[in-house]
Amino acid sequence: AQSVAQPEDQVNVAEGNPLTVKCTYSVSGNPYLFWYVQYPNRGLQFLLKYITGDNLVKGSYGFEAEFNKSQTSFHLKKPSALVSDSALYFCAVRDFTGGGNKLTFGTGTQLKVEL
Amino acid sequence: GAGVSQTPSNKVTEKGKYVELRCDPISGHTALYWYRQSLGQGPEFLIYFQGTGAADDSGLPNDRFFAVRPEGSVSTLKIQRTERGDSAVYLCASSSQGGVYGYTFGSGTRLTVV
Repeated sequence: AQSVAQPEDQVNVAEGNPLTVKCTYSVSGNPYLFWYVQYPNRGLQFLLKYITGDNLVKGSYGFEAEFNKSQTSFHLKKPSALVSDSALYFCAVRDFTGGGNKLTFGTGTQLKVEL
Repeated sequence: GAGVSQTPSNKVTEKGKYVELRCDPISGHTALYWYRQSLGQGPEFLIYFQGTGAADDSGLPNDRFFAVRPEGSVSTLKIQRTERGDSAVYLCASSSQGGVYGYTFGSGTRLTVV
């Protein structure tokens, strides 16, 4: 089965500093990778995806992610963090195991951006 | 509609009762998904519909859980004989093109079994 791992439960960063939220993946075949963000009492909002093509993927709200095949990673990045970026971030991989079609999510990383 | 709508937003029920959770997907989206998110966890897949049929129900935890989508649009997740362990946020998502480009999620139904 396809899976993703988010090794950090929480990431703290000062506003204006760059941020990185880590994700590694384990897949058979070509990975379809996604990042979602969840604000309190809200559903998941799509940030960006990697299907194929350029390894640096640009998404919503100034976020980007770098696909690294040799390190099986898909880390989320932003050059300058904002307090409003504080939220729960999920990495996900598309899973076609057994003829299915679903997203398998990581356990999430809480991002806290402080003044 | 403009987004995925889930009702109710909150549901409190007594242990042993039956509940129904409703999802109204984005108009024209043929694929619909149900996920369950427990506190501090990532969303866990329950079931996937393509049109009216359940294409993958491998995530349903047991036979107390059932979902339907009779006209290929609105879906209802049904839970019989609820247990306290069923307490979670139930998320619905829809997509076009088989979800290749990701899903759009609703805000979820927070189910509390007391």
